[in-house]
Amino acid sequence: KQEVTQIPAALSVPEGENLVLNCSFTDSAIYNLQWFRQDPGKGLTSLLLIQSSQREQTSGRLNASLDKSSGRSTLYIAASQPGDSATYLCAVPAGAGSYQLTFGKGTKLSVIP
Amino acid sequence: SAVISQKPSRDICQRGTSLTIQCQVDSQVTMMFWYRQQPGQSLTLIATANQGSEATYESGFVIDKFPISRPNLTFSTLTVSNMSPEDSSIYLCSVTNTGELFFGEGSRLTVL
Repeated sequence: KQEVTQIPAALSVPEGENLVLNCSFTDSAIYNLQWFRQDPGKGLTSLLLIQSSQREQTSGRLNASLDKSSGRSTLYIAASQPGDSATYLCAVPAGAGSYQLTFGKGTKLSVIP
Repeated sequence: SAVISQKPSRDICQRGTSLTIQCQVDSQVTMMFWYRQQPGQSLTLIATANQGSEATYESGFVIDKFPISRPNLTFSTLTVSNMSPEDSSIYLCSVTNTGELFFGEGSRLTVL
């Protein structure tokens, strides 16, 4: 059974800092990994999708990397802004060929002005 | 990406009542799912909504408690039946065609 762990559970940084969020998963036989953002009481916004054949994916100030062999992914946020404050969730398919996702518990990020 | 609309966005319900949540997508999608997010927790898959047939439920979720309909490729409903305070959660509809999942804004239910 796939399990996803995110560290740290919460992170507080001053505005302008670069930061890294970590995600690990137990079953490396995944075909993609997805990072989401969730604002309080809201739904999820897809940030980045990394296919298993890719090592990283970039969107603006966000860069996500994937190391399947070690079961790890990182989300790098450059020059953080108060608007980046949210919970960031990592998710991988629950099994081979499955569209269902297994989620981590998330990292709650606070960017202090 | 798909635009997903959920109704209601929030509701306060009495114990023992039932509530139906609607999910409307602006384009046809292959897969539709319903997730639950309990307070302070991550997301848990309730079921896969199958067009024209019974939904596929995950362990711990049953049709009598969470009946689901999916009459076409753009619309689905989730009913939370005979609600108790433990059903207070955010319920989220999600869709995919290619493997990348997109979510609605969620429906926050509070059961008194």
